[in-house]
Amino acid sequence: GAVVSQHPSRVICKSGTSVKIECRSLDFQATTMFWYRQFPKQSLMLMATSNEGSKATYEQGVEKDKFLINHASLTLSTLTVTSAHPEDSSFYICSARGGQGVREKLFFGSGTQLSVL
Amino acid sequence: DAKTTQPPSMDCAEGRAANLPCNHSTISGNEYVYWYRQIHSQGPQYIIHGLKNNETNEMASLIITEDRKSSTLILPHATLRDTAVYYCIVSSSGSARQLTFGSGTQLTVLP
Repeated sequence: GAVVSQHPSRVICKSGTSVKIECRSLDFQATTMFWYRQFPKQSLMLMATSNEGSKATYEQGVEKDKFLINHASLTLSTLTVTSAHPEDSSFYICSARGGQGVREKLFFGSGTQLSVL
Repeated sequence: DAKTTQPPSMDCAEGRAANLPCNHSTISGNEYVYWYRQIHSQGPQYIIHGLKNNETNEMASLIITEDRKSSTLILPHATLRDTAVYYCIVSSSGSARQLTFGSGTQLTVLP
């Protein structure tokens, strides 16, 4: 089945630094990928929709200048958390559409646990 | 997308069937019912989806009522590894655009 690879799985950084998270679709092309964020004991919240070759679409309340998304190819989207602060500590998850027609579904990466000190 | 309602938690004995209900009374004709689960500190895992007919795969069965206002996910022989949060999501047009996650059901399989 379709696989989405997310890297790194865990990152610890100092406040003020930037962190890049990669999301790859391994055996299919994904024109659209989605980035979610999940705080402890809460559900997943959609942050943005990443479109190959065009600008990402951000959900209300998500700062586009802080969470930079690049989708330069059909198999790779990156999320960069710029000038990270402790409140950005969270579990970040990407997903991509795979399959066709009625079989289409979202496949999710394994997530990235970001801890900002 | 239609809103879903799930019980916050359920327990199930290992080896028994786990039946997880979901209400989606405002579902529209072109919306599919998707089920995902999330084991602690991992990304969500696809389980099954359907439109109106019952569906079965190697993981589970999905029973959708005739009026499509509710559904039940059935894990026929629950194991300890099935302990997870289970999300029932409806999404339009059979195209799984972004999925809106509710709070889900925490299923705990007991030994």
